[in-house]
Amino acid sequence: GAVVSQHPSWVICKSGTSVKIECRSLDFQATTMFWYRQFPKQSLMLMATSNEGSKATYEQGVEKDKFLINHASLTLSTLTVTSAHPEDSSFYICSARNSLSYEQYFGPGTRLTVT
Amino acid sequence: QKEVEQDPGPLSVPEGAIVSLNCTYSNSAFQYFMWYRQYSRKGPELLMYTYSSGNKEDGRFTAQVDKSSKYISLFIRDSQPSDSATYLCAMRVSNTGNQFYFGTGTSLTVIP
Repeated sequence: GAVVSQHPSWVICKSGTSVKIECRSLDFQATTMFWYRQFPKQSLMLMATSNEGSKATYEQGVEKDKFLINHASLTLSTLTVTSAHPEDSSFYICSARNSLSYEQYFGPGTRLTVT
Repeated sequence: QKEVEQDPGPLSVPEGAIVSLNCTYSNSAFQYFMWYRQYSRKGPELLMYTYSSGNKEDGRFTAQVDKSSKYISLFIRDSQPSDSATYLCAMRVSNTGNQFYFGTGTSLTVIP
């Protein structure tokens, strides 16, 4: 089946630093990728939609200058959390939409802890 | 009112039991209905995918959609300890649209 990877799977960083999370579709091309955030015992909340070669579309309430998204190729999107604060600690999950079938596949998630 | 409502549980059942998980929704435009399984600290894994109303069966899993009642269900027969996870329902209006609407997830524990 289709595989989406995320790297790193787990990261701890100090407050004020930036963290980059990668999302890769391993065996299909994904024109569109999505970034979600999930707090403990809560559902996935869509943060932004990333389109290859263009600017990301952010959901209401998500700061685009804080959560920088780059989708430079058909298999890679990155989310950079800039000037991270403890309240940014969460589980970040990407999903990639197959350009041909429109099926979406989720990555394994990245757990970010900001100290 | 949330777009999708799901009882968070937790739900605890003995091994071999039949499990029923449910979601209700408010948007009658939803056409595609999904159930995802999410193990702790992992990304969601697609279990079942249903278009419009009706039933779909895959092994021990059966998904039901009742659009008239805006109600979907996932049944797990002969539940196993390995089924212990959080189950999320999700819906979307179109197959090509971007927006998934997720339930909060139901935490299930199957006791050996």
